[in-house]
Amino acid sequence: GQNIDQPTEMTATEGAIVQINCTYQTSGFNGLFWYQQHAGEAPTFLSYNVLDGLEEKGRFSSFLSRSKGYSYLLLKELQMKDSASYLCACMDSNYQLIWGAGTKLIIKP
Amino acid sequence: NAGVTQTPKFRILKIGQSMTLQCTQDMNHNYMYWYRQDPGMGLKLIYYSVGAGITDKGEVPNGYNVSRSTTEDFPLRLELAAPSQTSVYFCASSYSGTESYEQYFGPGTRLTVT
Repeated sequence: GQNIDQPTEMTATEGAIVQINCTYQTSGFNGLFWYQQHAGEAPTFLSYNVLDGLEEKGRFSSFLSRSKGYSYLLLKELQMKDSASYLCACMDSNYQLIWGAGTKLIIKP
Repeated sequence: NAGVTQTPKFRILKIGQSMTLQCTQDMNHNYMYWYRQDPGMGLKLIYYSVGAGITDKGEVPNGYNVSRSTTEDFPLRLELAAPSQTSVYFCASSYSGTESYEQYFGPGTRLTVT
C-alpha cells in the first residue's frame, strides 16, 4: 500500500532550528514535495526533491534519500510566522500526489 | 493573475441537497485537481483532469462528479449531500511542462452537511 508518515506535532523555540521528518512507501516515485499550510488557509509550495541530497532555499532546506524512503524539512532561524502545518507529499507512478497528514509546528517565544 | 479562485468560501447544506463548487484558474495550466481535507488527515484526491474534456477519478470519487469543458474551469458537483461530505475542499492546478510539478491551490470551500 501507499503510506506517508510524519509526526503529528512538534514544538520549537523562536530563533532555533527544527527538523521535520517524513517517511514514505508509494507505488513508484516521481518526487517528494513539502508544502506549508497556515490554519484556515490553502497549502503553499515549499520544495520539490526528485534526486538524493539536500536542496537549500533561504531558511528552509529539504533532504531526500530515495533508498531509505526518507525526507526531512529543515527550518532555520525560526520565526513566529513559521507556526503552521507542514505537509509531506509523494508523487507516485501516475504523477498523483499522496499526502501525509501534516506536522503541526508550534513556535514558542 | 488571480491564480486559482474558488466559490463559495463557505456553505451549509442539508442532507440530500445538491450544489456545485466552482474553480477557475487563469494560469493556463493543463492539470487541475479537486481535493478534500478532513481534520487531522492528509489531502485526498477526488477527481483530476489533464486537459479540457478529460477527467479521471482519484482516491475518493464516490458522491462527486466533475466536468472540464474549458482549460480555465473545473467545477465539482455534489448530487446528494451526506454528512460524510462535510470537509474543506481545495481546487489546485499545475502545468505539466515544468520539471517541478508544483500545484497551486485555491483558498478552499468549507462545506458543512447537516
